[in-house]
Amino acid sequence: DADVTQTPRNRITKTGKRIMLECSQTKGHDRMYWYRQDPGLGLRLIYYSFDVKDINKGEISDGYSVSRQAQAKFSLSLESAIPNQTALYFCATSDGTSETYEQYFGPGTRLTVT
Amino acid sequence: GQNIDQPTEMTATEGAIVQINCTYQTSGFNGLFWYQQHAGEAPTFLSYNVLDGLEEKGRFSSFLSRSKGYSYLLLKELQMKDSASYLCAVKDSNYQLIWGAGTKLIIKP
Repeated sequence: DADVTQTPRNRITKTGKRIMLECSQTKGHDRMYWYRQDPGLGLRLIYYSFDVKDINKGEISDGYSVSRQAQAKFSLSLESAIPNQTALYFCATSDGTSETYEQYFGPGTRLTVT
Repeated sequence: GQNIDQPTEMTATEGAIVQINCTYQTSGFNGLFWYQQHAGEAPTFLSYNVLDGLEEKGRFSSFLSRSKGYSYLLLKELQMKDSASYLCAVKDSNYQLIWGAGTKLIIKP
């Protein structure tokens, strides 16, 4: 079984709709992240959480919100989807006690907003 | 501002050696990662450097010079399965990862 899972894997939605992307992990890591990836732009950080009560905005948080329901679950919501939010979204985790803070990624959610 | 530069695309021949460069300007430095990402898939960890020098791991090696803000990933004995994007990421003073746009490596027979 995958250590970091994301649902759904693919989603097509219309402009103005609210949508939630979910992430779960079995690695026991305390830190979780949401990124989006666009062609030619690399990974950009949307939100990150160091534990259940600690949520922080990343580089591009406008138009997004998150919820850390438990140590193992971190959800990303698009309040009112717009076409330029079409992208590949990745959830990642890391162990805050590790030496490197290496991040482990989920398989990604491909979101299309029409 | 923070900036990480990598070549957009490189082409190499199966069995050969290729070097992918990464230069960075970040607010602080606490380590540098290389990840591999096949098209449409998740990035996977390749290597980590925090001190100057070369780290070797099988066919892959990574080098770091902190004074020059420079790293490279060296891939030897290239195989077709090495066709992927290679992402350079720097851990900044806040221990956040700043990502380069990635280098797409095309391997030809």
